[in-house]
Amino acid sequence: DAGVIQSPRHEVTEMGQEVTLRCKPISGHDYLFWYRQTMMRGLELLIYFNNNVPIDDSGMPEDRFSAKMPNASFSTLKIQPSEPRDSAVYFCASRQGPETQYFGPGTRLLVL
Amino acid sequence: QQQVKQSPQSLIVQKGGISIINCAYENTAFDYFPWYQQFPGKGPALLIAIRPDVSEKKEGRFTISFNKSAKQFSLHIMDSQPGDSATYFCAASISGYKLSFGAGTTVTVRA
Repeated sequence: DAGVIQSPRHEVTEMGQEVTLRCKPISGHDYLFWYRQTMMRGLELLIYFNNNVPIDDSGMPEDRFSAKMPNASFSTLKIQPSEPRDSAVYFCASRQGPETQYFGPGTRLLVL
Repeated sequence: QQQVKQSPQSLIVQKGGISIINCAYENTAFDYFPWYQQFPGKGPALLIAIRPDVSEKKEGRFTISFNKSAKQFSLHIMDSQPGDSATYFCAASISGYKLSFGAGTTVTVRA
């Protein structure tokens, strides 16, 4: 299996622009997670889905962030409008059942 | 608030030495405690995990020690190698679902 696939790997944008991050989970996995990693706050869970349904979005920082999972093989995390404090590495992870989460390589986002 | 406290923030060890990373938690409902390893530019990867019904789990050079009464657990890396240089995260969850991560420990192994 190719593992969790994320795109783009790097994104540089200007404040106020819309940013869309994409994730393809491992085939057959029924849970999908979006995390944000920064030096100050470490790894933070933003939202997770089970069978394409959002289960817990309590970690989404504010209304500028939204996530969707239209089908079992694709999810997006959108930031609109983006701000410099959104600069971070965003990880997608997937899992089948409980326990082991498999992380993607991450998207490094820089908002100028 | 951070539900899992991890220390130290960083450590340097000589090749062949032992690296020890400690974590503490408050929520007694946690029942799954994994450790993740992250190399620069990569996503975290599961290294080893333990449940509170055992006090120790060993996989190769990596050992988790678990103290349920003290609500603490630790990772020991025996015979540390330069390839072990990475950031290590402890985590905790209830039934393996929503993971709460520690702040991470950067381990540098000097040859």
